[in-house]
Amino acid sequence: QSVLTQPPSVSGAPGQRVTISCTGSSSNIGAGYDVHWYQQLPGAAPKLLIYGNNNRPSGVPDRFSGSKSGTSASLAITGLQAEDEADYYCQSSDNSLSGSRVFGGGTRLTVL
Amino acid sequence: QVRLVESGGGVVQPGRSLRLSCTASGLTFKNYGMHWVRQAPGKGLEWVAVITYDGRNTYYSDSVKGRFTISRDDSKNTLYLQMNSLRPEDTALYYCATDRDWNYLGSWGQGTLVTVSS
Repeated sequence: QSVLTQPPSVSGAPGQRVTISCTGSSSNIGAGYDVHWYQQLPGAAPKLLIYGNNNRPSGVPDRFSGSKSGTSASLAITGLQAEDEADYYCQSSDNSLSGSRVFGGGTRLTVL
Repeated sequence: QVRLVESGGGVVQPGRSLRLSCTASGLTFKNYGMHWVRQAPGKGLEWVAVITYDGRNTYYSDSVKGRFTISRDDSKNTLYLQMNSLRPEDTALYYCATDRDWNYLGSWGQGTLVTVSS
């Protein structure tokens, strides 16, 4: 049972827009901690996709965007492409254990 | 370009110990806090431990606290994870990653596989 809750799967056709939610609580996202997103392509290591709620590292297309409100956050992907098919994880920090980081359970994105 | 290379994984019996290493290049290692994150086969990411850039502070998940120790040797640009009293549920791919702004995980290695089995 992950501290942050994500839908197990989402899907969309090429060119469409999809969103992935990440729901936390008052001890993590609701406490004001930033939310970050990672993309894990099949057979690869995770890669930072969005940091600080809505910032993209260099090289990440602007088709990817993040937002945060209250105890939740979302990742939006527009203009869906076949190469976007991957697992996506949200991450934040948590007050319950000093220094801890917490991940969502991950969402598998399928491009139809 | 940051490169992180994990090593030291393998098959180990329950109750035994193993030490993982993560060698870094392409960055000023002593300026970075470092994490270990693991991923059980077919499962999601689980944060394991973090060490501050100066090595003074370490933090662990409840699932490994008291059994695992994170450390670093800046002279060798290397991060370690000493794993004692291993359990079958510790079976996972172990990744090291850089800490950014005590907030997110910036760069990741490719992982080293640990299998705990009799």
